[in-house]
Amino acid sequence: AQSVTQPDIHITVSEGASLELRCNYSYGATPYLFWYVQSPGQGLQLLLKYFSGDTLVQGIKGFEAEFKRSQSSFNLRKPSVHWSDAAEYFCAVGAFTGGSQGNLIFGKGTKLSVKP
Amino acid sequence: GAGVSQSPSNKVTEKGKDVELRCDPISGHTALYWYRQSLGQGLEFLIYFQGNSAPDKSGLPSDRFSAERTGGSVSTLTIQRTQQEDSAVYLCASSLAGGANVLTFGAGSRLTVL
Repeated sequence: AQSVTQPDIHITVSEGASLELRCNYSYGATPYLFWYVQSPGQGLQLLLKYFSGDTLVQGIKGFEAEFKRSQSSFNLRKPSVHWSDAAEYFCAVGAFTGGSQGNLIFGKGTKLSVKP
Repeated sequence: GAGVSQSPSNKVTEKGKDVELRCDPISGHTALYWYRQSLGQGLEFLIYFQGNSAPDKSGLPSDRFSAERTGGSVSTLTIQRTQQEDSAVYLCASSLAGGANVLTFGAGSRLTVL
Protein backbone atom coordinates (compact mmCIF):
# COMPACT_ATOMS: atom_id res chain seq x y z
CA ALA A 1 0.00 0.00 0.00
CA GLN A 2 1.08 3.54 -0.63
CA SER A 3 2.15 5.78 2.23
CA VAL A 4 3.74 9.19 2.63
CA THR A 5 5.81 10.51 5.50
CA GLN A 6 6.56 14.15 6.10
CA PRO A 7 8.92 14.06 9.08
CA ASP A 8 8.71 17.74 9.94
CA ILE A 9 5.43 18.94 11.41
CA HIS A 10 6.49 22.58 11.66
CA ILE A 11 9.43 24.50 10.21
CA THR A 12 10.37 28.14 10.73
CA VAL A 13 12.75 29.91 8.37
CA SER A 14 13.81 33.51 7.97
CA GLU A 15 12.67 35.44 4.94
CA GLY A 16 15.29 35.13 2.22
CA ALA A 17 16.68 31.87 3.58
CA SER A 18 16.59 28.62 1.65
CA LEU A 19 14.00 25.96 2.34
CA GLU A 20 13.83 22.19 2.07
CA LEU A 21 10.74 20.22 3.07
CA ARG A 22 11.18 16.48 3.32
CA CYS A 23 8.92 13.82 1.91
CA ASN A 24 9.43 10.05 1.90
CA TYR A 25 7.07 7.65 0.23
CA SER A 26 6.40 3.96 0.16
CA TYR A 27 5.12 2.39 -3.04
CA GLY A 28 6.01 -0.79 -4.89
CA ALA A 29 6.30 0.69 -8.36
CA THR A 30 7.22 4.02 -9.85
CA PRO A 31 5.01 6.50 -8.09
CA TYR A 32 3.36 9.67 -9.23
CA LEU A 33 4.42 12.38 -6.79
CA PHE A 34 2.90 15.73 -6.00
CA TRP A 35 3.37 18.71 -3.74
CA TYR A 36 0.34 20.81 -2.80
CA VAL A 37 0.21 24.01 -0.76
CA GLN A 38 -2.64 25.18 1.45
CA SER A 39 -2.56 28.80 2.51
CA PRO A 40 -4.61 29.86 5.55
CA GLY A 41 -8.30 29.71 4.70
CA GLN A 42 -7.56 28.60 1.15
CA GLY A 43 -7.99 25.40 -0.78
CA LEU A 44 -5.14 23.16 -1.88
CA GLN A 45 -3.13 24.32 -4.85
CA LEU A 46 -0.76 22.16 -6.88
CA LEU A 47 2.86 23.31 -6.71
CA LEU A 48 4.45 20.65 -8.90
CA LYS A 49 4.28 17.03 -9.94
CA TYR A 50 6.55 14.20 -11.03
CA PHE A 51 5.38 11.48 -13.39
CA SER A 52 8.52 10.40 -15.25
CA GLY A 53 11.61 11.74 -16.96
CA ASP A 54 13.82 14.41 -15.46
CA THR A 55 13.99 13.83 -11.72
CA LEU A 56 14.27 17.54 -10.96
CA VAL A 57 10.93 19.20 -11.52
CA GLN A 58 10.11 22.87 -11.46
CA GLY A 59 6.87 24.23 -10.11
CA ILE A 60 5.09 27.48 -9.52
CA LYS A 61 6.24 30.23 -7.17
CA GLY A 62 9.90 29.30 -7.58
CA PHE A 63 9.62 25.85 -6.00
CA GLU A 64 11.38 22.73 -7.23
CA ALA A 65 11.52 19.12 -6.10
CA GLU A 66 13.85 16.23 -6.77
CA PHE A 67 12.79 12.60 -7.07
CA LYS A 68 15.38 10.22 -5.63
CA ARG A 69 14.34 6.64 -6.18
CA SER A 70 17.19 5.21 -4.09
CA GLN A 71 16.03 7.21 -1.09
CA SER A 72 12.28 7.02 -1.80
CA SER A 73 12.22 10.77 -1.40
CA PHE A 74 10.68 13.75 -3.13
CA ASN A 75 11.92 16.79 -1.22
CA LEU A 76 10.63 20.27 -1.96
CA ARG A 77 13.08 23.17 -2.17
CA LYS A 78 13.12 26.90 -2.65
CA PRO A 79 16.32 28.97 -2.73
CA SER A 80 14.86 32.10 -1.12
CA VAL A 81 11.67 32.08 0.93
CA HIS A 82 9.19 34.96 0.83
CA TRP A 83 6.80 35.86 3.65
CA SER A 84 3.90 34.86 1.40
CA ASP A 85 5.20 31.27 1.36
CA ALA A 86 3.94 30.76 4.92
CA ALA A 87 1.43 27.93 4.52
CA GLU A 88 1.01 24.22 4.98
CA TYR A 89 2.64 21.93 2.45
CA PHE A 90 1.45 18.45 1.58
CA CYS A 91 3.28 15.74 -0.29
CA ALA A 92 1.18 13.09 -2.04
CA VAL A 93 1.76 9.83 -3.88
CA GLY A 94 -0.53 8.32 -6.48
CA ALA A 95 -0.84 5.07 -8.35
CA PHE A 96 -1.80 4.45 -11.92
CA THR A 97 -2.94 0.92 -12.46
CA GLY A 98 -5.34 -0.87 -14.76
CA GLY A 99 -5.63 2.08 -17.09
CA SER A 100 -7.08 4.48 -14.60
CA GLN A 101 -5.91 6.70 -11.82
CA GLY A 102 -6.34 5.53 -8.28
CA ASN A 103 -6.53 7.69 -5.25
CA LEU A 104 -3.85 10.03 -3.94
CA ILE A 105 -2.40 9.38 -0.50
CA PHE A 106 -1.29 12.50 1.32
CA GLY A 107 1.23 13.08 4.07
CA LYS A 108 0.21 14.83 7.27
CA GLY A 109 1.69 18.09 6.09
CA THR A 110 4.45 20.47 7.12
CA LYS A 111 3.51 23.90 8.38
CA LEU A 112 5.94 26.59 7.26
CA SER A 113 6.33 29.81 9.22
CA VAL A 114 8.46 32.67 7.87
CA LYS A 115 10.25 35.11 10.18
CA PRO A 116 10.73 38.68 8.93
CA GLY B 1 -18.26 25.26 -13.69
CA ALA B 2 -14.93 26.99 -13.42
CA GLY B 3 -13.92 25.22 -10.24
CA VAL B 4 -15.01 22.57 -7.76
CA SER B 5 -17.93 23.86 -5.74
CA GLN B 6 -18.79 22.53 -2.29
CA SER B 7 -21.75 23.28 -0.06
CA PRO B 8 -22.37 24.13 2.65
CA SER B 9 -19.11 25.86 3.46
CA ASN B 10 -19.89 25.53 7.16
CA LYS B 11 -22.22 23.16 8.97
CA VAL B 12 -22.86 22.94 12.69
CA THR B 13 -24.94 20.01 13.84
CA GLU B 14 -25.82 18.16 16.98
CA LYS B 15 -24.47 14.75 17.80
CA GLY B 16 -26.68 12.03 16.37
CA LYS B 17 -28.04 14.06 13.46
CA ASP B 18 -27.45 13.17 9.82
CA VAL B 19 -25.64 15.58 7.48
CA GLU B 20 -25.24 15.81 3.72
CA LEU B 21 -22.33 17.53 2.03
CA ARG B 22 -22.47 18.35 -1.66
CA CYS B 23 -19.76 18.53 -4.31
CA ASP B 24 -20.15 19.88 -7.83
CA PRO B 25 -17.02 18.97 -9.83
CA ILE B 26 -15.50 20.72 -12.79
CA SER B 27 -17.51 20.06 -15.92
CA GLY B 28 -15.98 17.18 -17.88
CA HIS B 29 -14.04 15.75 -14.95
CA THR B 30 -15.03 12.14 -14.59
CA ALA B 31 -12.98 11.37 -11.47
CA LEU B 32 -14.20 12.66 -8.10
CA TYR B 33 -12.62 12.28 -4.67
CA TRP B 34 -13.62 12.95 -1.08
CA TYR B 35 -11.03 13.59 1.61
CA ARG B 36 -11.29 14.51 5.27
CA GLN B 37 -8.90 16.98 6.87
CA SER B 38 -8.68 16.95 10.64
CA LEU B 39 -6.36 19.12 12.69
CA GLY B 40 -2.88 17.66 12.58
CA GLN B 41 -3.97 14.63 10.57
CA GLY B 42 -3.38 15.71 7.02
CA LEU B 43 -5.77 14.60 4.30
CA GLU B 44 -7.46 11.28 4.85
CA PHE B 45 -8.80 9.58 1.72
CA LEU B 46 -12.48 8.64 1.97
CA ILE B 47 -13.86 7.59 -1.42
CA TYR B 48 -13.09 7.84 -5.13
CA PHE B 49 -15.44 7.73 -8.13
CA GLN B 50 -14.19 7.13 -11.67
CA GLY B 51 -16.77 7.30 -14.45
CA ASN B 52 -19.21 4.42 -14.31
CA SER B 53 -16.87 2.11 -12.40
CA ALA B 54 -17.67 0.93 -8.90
CA PRO B 55 -16.36 3.51 -6.43
CA ASP B 56 -13.31 2.84 -4.28
CA LYS B 57 -14.80 3.04 -0.79
CA SER B 58 -11.75 1.74 1.01
CA GLY B 59 -11.21 4.95 2.98
CA LEU B 60 -14.65 5.30 4.53
CA PRO B 61 -14.09 5.11 8.31
CA SER B 62 -17.37 3.46 9.24
CA ASP B 63 -20.73 2.41 7.82
CA ARG B 64 -22.15 5.73 8.98
CA PHE B 65 -20.39 7.28 5.99
CA SER B 66 -21.68 6.88 2.46
CA ALA B 67 -21.42 8.75 -0.81
CA GLU B 68 -23.13 8.72 -4.15
CA ARG B 69 -22.56 10.36 -7.45
CA THR B 70 -25.57 11.00 -9.61
CA GLY B 71 -25.33 11.19 -13.38
CA GLY B 72 -21.55 11.13 -13.24
CA SER B 73 -21.47 14.68 -11.92
CA VAL B 74 -22.65 15.96 -8.53
CA SER B 75 -21.70 13.92 -5.47
CA THR B 76 -23.20 13.84 -1.99
CA LEU B 77 -21.34 12.63 1.08
CA THR B 78 -23.72 11.55 3.84
CA ILE B 79 -22.76 11.06 7.46
CA GLN B 80 -25.41 9.38 9.59
CA ARG B 81 -25.71 9.69 13.36
CA THR B 82 -22.84 12.16 13.53
CA GLN B 83 -20.27 11.92 16.31
CA GLN B 84 -17.98 14.61 17.67
CA GLU B 85 -14.97 12.89 16.07
CA ASP B 86 -16.58 13.52 12.68
CA SER B 87 -15.80 17.22 13.08
CA ALA B 88 -13.40 18.10 10.28
CA VAL B 89 -13.13 19.81 6.92
CA TYR B 90 -14.43 17.61 4.13
CA LEU B 91 -12.67 18.27 0.84
CA CYS B 92 -13.85 17.27 -2.60
CA ALA B 93 -11.60 17.13 -5.65
CA SER B 94 -12.06 16.23 -9.28
CA SER B 95 -9.81 15.37 -12.19
CA LEU B 96 -9.86 14.33 -15.81
CA ALA B 97 -9.95 10.63 -16.52
CA GLY B 98 -7.48 8.51 -18.36
CA GLY B 99 -4.24 9.00 -16.54
CA ALA B 100 -2.44 10.33 -13.53
CA ASN B 101 -4.09 13.68 -13.70
CA VAL B 102 -3.93 16.56 -11.30
CA LEU B 103 -6.65 16.94 -8.71
CA THR B 104 -8.44 20.27 -8.41
CA PHE B 105 -9.80 20.81 -4.92
CA GLY B 106 -12.83 22.65 -3.67
CA ALA B 107 -12.70 25.00 -0.70
CA GLY B 108 -14.17 22.37 1.60
CA SER B 109 -17.10 21.98 3.95
CA ARG B 110 -16.29 22.54 7.61
CA LEU B 111 -18.39 20.25 9.80
CA THR B 112 -18.71 20.87 13.53
CA VAL B 113 -20.55 18.31 15.62
CA LEU B 114 -21.59 19.59 19.05
